Amino acid sequence: DSGVTQTPKHLITATGQRVTLRCSPRSGDLSVYWYQQSLDQGLQFLIQYYNGEERAKGNILERFSAQQFPDLHSELNLSSLELGDSALYFCASSVGTLSTGELFFGEGSRLTVL
Amino acid sequence: EDQVTQSPEALRLQEGESSSLNCSYTVSGLRGLFWYRQDPGKGPEFLFTLYSAGEEKEKERLKATLTKKESFLHITAPKPEDSATYLCAVHKYGNKLVFGAGTILRVKS
Repeated sequence: DSGVTQTPKHLITATGQRVTLRCSPRSGDLSVYWYQQSLDQGLQFLIQYYNGEERAKGNILERFSAQQFPDLHSELNLSSLELGDSALYFCASSVGTLSTGELFFGEGSRLTVL
Repeated sequence: EDQVTQSPEALRLQEGESSSLNCSYTVSGLRGLFWYRQDPGKGPEFLFTLYSAGEEKEKERLKATLTKKESFLHITAPKPEDSATYLCAVHKYGNKLVFGAGTILRVKS
C-alpha cells in the first residue's frame, strides 16, 4: 500500500460526458502528479501540483483540468469525453519535487468511455 | 524530441536464468534516471534513482547501472515473483518525468 488513495477505481461513462477523478496523497506529501496510461501510449505525464500551485504541465488536453485543494487532495476533471480517453489514470505523490525520483503511485482509476 | 526506449518489449526467463533489460534515452537536460516496477492492475513502484554515468544501485536480485546514453537493469537468478513490467523514466529539466513503454518480464518456475 503506497498510501496514495484514488477514487473511483472504475468508471464507465459515455462520450461527451464529464467525470472527476480524486486523489488523496500520502500524509506529508506536498506534490501531486497525474498520469495517463493507455496500451498504445504508455505512461504519459499530465500535470503536477505542489502545495496548491501548478508546477509542471505535460501533454494535458484542454478538455482536462486539475486542481489541488488546501488539504492537498487533488481532482482531475475530464470533460467532453471521447473514446480515446479510455485509460488508466494514475495519481502519484512525493514530498517535494522530482529530485529523488521516488513517486508513490495510487492504484489508478480505470476510465472506460463508451 | 525526448525519447526513452526500452528493450526488449517482453522477456521470458526460466527461474534462475539471469538477464538484463535496457533503457536508452535521448533527453535534453537529464537530471536523473529512475526504474519502477509495475504489477498488473497496480500503480508503478519505485525501485532506483541513478544520477550520473557509472553509478550503480542494487536491491535484492536487481542491479541498475547508468551510462551517458542508456541504463541497464540486471536481474540475477530471478524468481517467479520478479515477474512484472519494469519501467524506466528520465527526469528532465522542467520537472518532468518521461517514461519508457516498459519491458514485460515473465519468470517461469
